[in-house]
Amino acid sequence: ETVLTQSPAILSLSPGERATLSCRASQSVDGYLAWYQQKPGQAPRLLIYDTSNRATGIPARFSGSGSGTDFTLTITSLAPEDFAVYYCQQRANWPPSYSFGQGTKLEIK
Amino acid sequence: QVQLQESGPGLVKPSQTLSLTCSVSGVSFSSDSYYWSWIRQPAGKGLEWIGRIYVGGGTNYNPSLESRVTLSIDTSKNQFSLSLNSVTAADTAVYYCARVEEQVLSAFDFWGPGTLVTVSA
Repeated sequence: ETVLTQSPAILSLSPGERATLSCRASQSVDGYLAWYQQKPGQAPRLLIYDTSNRATGIPARFSGSGSGTDFTLTITSLAPEDFAVYYCQQRANWPPSYSFGQGTKLEIK
Repeated sequence: QVQLQESGPGLVKPSQTLSLTCSVSGVSFSSDSYYWSWIRQPAGKGLEWIGRIYVGGGTNYNPSLESRVTLSIDTSKNQFSLSLNSVTAADTAVYYCARVEEQVLSAFDFWGPGTLVTVSA
C-alpha cells in the first residue's frame, strides 16, 4: 500500500502570499496524483489531477507539479477563500485502490 | 450537472450493519468511463477510501475494510449502495459517495454532500 505524507501539517500565511504544499509517496505513484480542497462542513473539491492538470473551473493560481514520489501544490497569491484543508490522493494500478494524505491545513496568519 | 446524494440511517448500533445509498443524477449512470465510490471521514480526521463499483458490478475494496464491506449497484434506479457490517464506534464518520472518472482524471470529480453516521448504542 502506498502511503502519502503531507507537509507541513499546518501552514500559516497571509492573503496575497504564495503557498507551497508538499505530498510525498512511499513509492512511485506513476503520475496518478490529485489534490483536493476541503472547507468546513463541505465535501472535498477536486483541484488538480494527473499531477499538474487543473480541474474544470479551478483558478490559474492553483498549480501542481512533481514526479515519482514527490509532489507539490502551489497557490500563488492566496485569496481569502483559499484557506482550507488540502489533501493529496493517489491511485494504485494493482490492485486498484486509492489513498489520501493526512491533509495540510492552510490557515490565515 | 452531476449530482450525488447520500441517504440512510444516521445512527447504527454497535455490531449491526451500516447501510447507505447514493442517488446519482445528471449523468449517464451506465457509462463505462466511471466508477462509483464511497469515502469516509471521521470527525476532525482525514479521508479514507472504502471501495468502488463499476456499472457492470465489478468491485474493489480497501484491504483494511474488505472483510466487512459490500458495494452494490442498481442501474435502473441510478443508485449504488454501501453495506458495512459488524460496526464499532471507530466506524463513526461522515460518509461520502463520489464519482471516479478513470479515463482522463483517475480522481474523484463529483462528490455528494456527505452524511454523518454515528455508531452508538
